[in-house]
Formats: sequence, structure tokens, C-alpha cells
Amino acid sequence: DAKTTQPPSMDCAEGRAANLPCNHSTISGNEYVYWYRQIHSQGPQYIIHGLKNNETNEMASLIITEDRKSSTLILPHATLRDTAVYYCIVRPSGGGADGLTFGKGTHLIIQP
Amino acid sequence: DVKVTQSSRYLVKRTGEKVFLECVQDMDHENMFWYRQDPGLGLRLIYFSYDVKMKEKGDIPEGYSVSREKKERFSLILESASTNQTSMYLCASRGVLSSQPQHFGDGTRLSIL
Repeated sequence: DAKTTQPPSMDCAEGRAANLPCNHSTISGNEYVYWYRQIHSQGPQYIIHGLKNNETNEMASLIITEDRKSSTLILPHATLRDTAVYYCIVRPSGGGADGLTFGKGTHLIIQP
Repeated sequence: DVKVTQSSRYLVKRTGEKVFLECVQDMDHENMFWYRQDPGLGLRLIYFSYDVKMKEKGDIPEGYSVSREKKERFSLILESASTNQTSMYLCASRGVLSSQPQHFGDGTRLSIL
């Protein structure tokens, strides 16, 4: 899997938008960007993924730069329950080993 | 919503026991995975299965086996549990396309005494 770089931690006030950056400057043309989060002692939760267009679902929005070398996950109205470690992963769309590899991620802390 | 259910959240077993961890998914997914997650080592793939009765070794298969007799169920077996198999075990499932995301269960925290 291509390497990603994320800040180790971030704070955000409850009710505000949380913007989590991810750098993936070596991403290849067929690689998707995926975001997961993991709340302590629970399994990873899938949030969103995209190839080159921006994506939105009921949980978050994903903004991918035009050169695809970085992306931002946006949680529009953060709540205390959004406190978790967030992982950004890039993976090819076909073939290869199927296991996911998480880096260290960003520990997002939502402040009341 | 995808639901991946692991049979136990916490499990305590003794060294040498045969241990079964069960995982069931309700989305008719072809692919299922078993990982273990340890502090400082991240997520490591043990085995995966792309179809009923099919299995492939992941990065750390030693000491484990798997069974997939039905599409919705994927079992991880510790043949003779050892203390170094104390870990958080995570099951995941995914549809047929490799671009689709994997969905995880809540995990089983297994302690081998």
C-alpha cells in the first residue's frame, strides 16, 4: 500500500467541523483513498472512500485535491462520539494482497 | 448497513486449548478476513477467504487455521493456544470488487493464560 502521512493528533470543538488532512504524494492512478476510524476497544469503522472526485455520505465528506496527492476528511458537525483514531489508507482497485494496513493515524479529540 | 458479528467480545482461554472464533456477516459478501491487532504492530492479516471453502494465507498464518463452510460464516481456529496469541482479533468482510471497502466486526479480545 502506498504511504500516507497524517498528523498524530488534532483537537476540535464540539459542533464545529473537523477537517482531517492526509498526504499521499506517491499515490498511483488506480489507487483509492479510504478513511476508517477506530474508537478505543472497538473494531475499525469504515467512513468513506474515493478515487478522484469528492465524495459525501451521511457520516462525512472526502475532498481529494486535483493532483490526488492529498485529501481531507470533513466531519461537518463533530460530536463527542467522534473522538477516535482516524486512518487514511490508499489501495489499488484491483489485484494484489487484500489485507489492509493502518498507519498510526490521527487521534481526533472533540472538546466539549 | 453492513453487519459483521463476532461471537464474543472477550474470551479467556488456557495455553494448549483449541480456540474457535466465529464471525458472521449479513451482506452476502464473497470475501472475509481475519486480522489481529497489537499495540505498536498495527493490523496484521492472518487469513482471508474469497469464496466458500476457499482460503488464502495472510502475513501471519502460523498457529492458526480457518474454516468457511457457508458464505456468511468465517471461523478462526487456534489449534493449540499460546500466550503470544493474546491479542485483539478482528473479522472483516467485503464485496466482490477489491475497490469496495472492508467492514469490520467489533473484535474479540482474547487472553491466553
